[in-house]
Amino acid sequence: EPEVTQTPSHQVTQMGQEVILRCVPISNHLYFYWYRQILGQKVEFLVSFYNNEISEKSEIFDDQFSVERPDGSNFTLKIRSTKLEDSAMYFCASSVAGGMQETQYFGPGTRLLVL
Amino acid sequence: QKEVEQNSGPLSVPEGAIASLNCTYSDRGSQSFFWYRQYSGKSPELIMFIYSNGDKEDGRFTAQLNKASQYVSLLIRDSQPSDSATYLCAVNISLGNEKLTFGTGTRLTIIP
Repeated sequence: EPEVTQTPSHQVTQMGQEVILRCVPISNHLYFYWYRQILGQKVEFLVSFYNNEISEKSEIFDDQFSVERPDGSNFTLKIRSTKLEDSAMYFCASSVAGGMQETQYFGPGTRLLVL
Repeated sequence: QKEVEQNSGPLSVPEGAIASLNCTYSDRGSQSFFWYRQYSGKSPELIMFIYSNGDKEDGRFTAQLNKASQYVSLLIRDSQPSDSATYLCAVNISLGNEKLTFGTGTRLTIIP
């Protein structure tokens, strides 16, 4: 069964450094998402992406964050200058199409620790 | 503020019994409702979704939706120890919008 994959599984970085989290969505899916989950808290939406454009973003997704689809398979989340509060599990998700009734399938996540 | 509320638990249920998980949402325009299971340190895994009022059954799982009461629930029949996890209710709140709004989750423990 096709799965969303993410790399790396764990990332430790120093505050102020840039990190890039990578995702390979399910191959026939057209909509991609990033969510994060701070330890012990709820899963929070960051951004959705379709047709090489951001379709929606949350207030968390400020200028420090960017997303890109650099090729036909990868979808990346870049955090330009990490802060301590960026420490969280970051989940990539994808869906076949957009819209309210589309199921989003989640990858295994990248655990980011900012020191 | 558009919220999704769940009782955080923990909810303890004997093996073989029915586990009942509840979720309320604040936006009356919400259209789609998803239940995800999350094991500790892992990603959310879809269990089932429901869009229409009433019950929807899938194996041991039944989702129930009552839009008038803004309430969605998940019943797990014949609970197994492997069902022990955190159950996340997620809502797609508005038209033209793909984002999921999650509740904090209910931690379920099945007691052998």
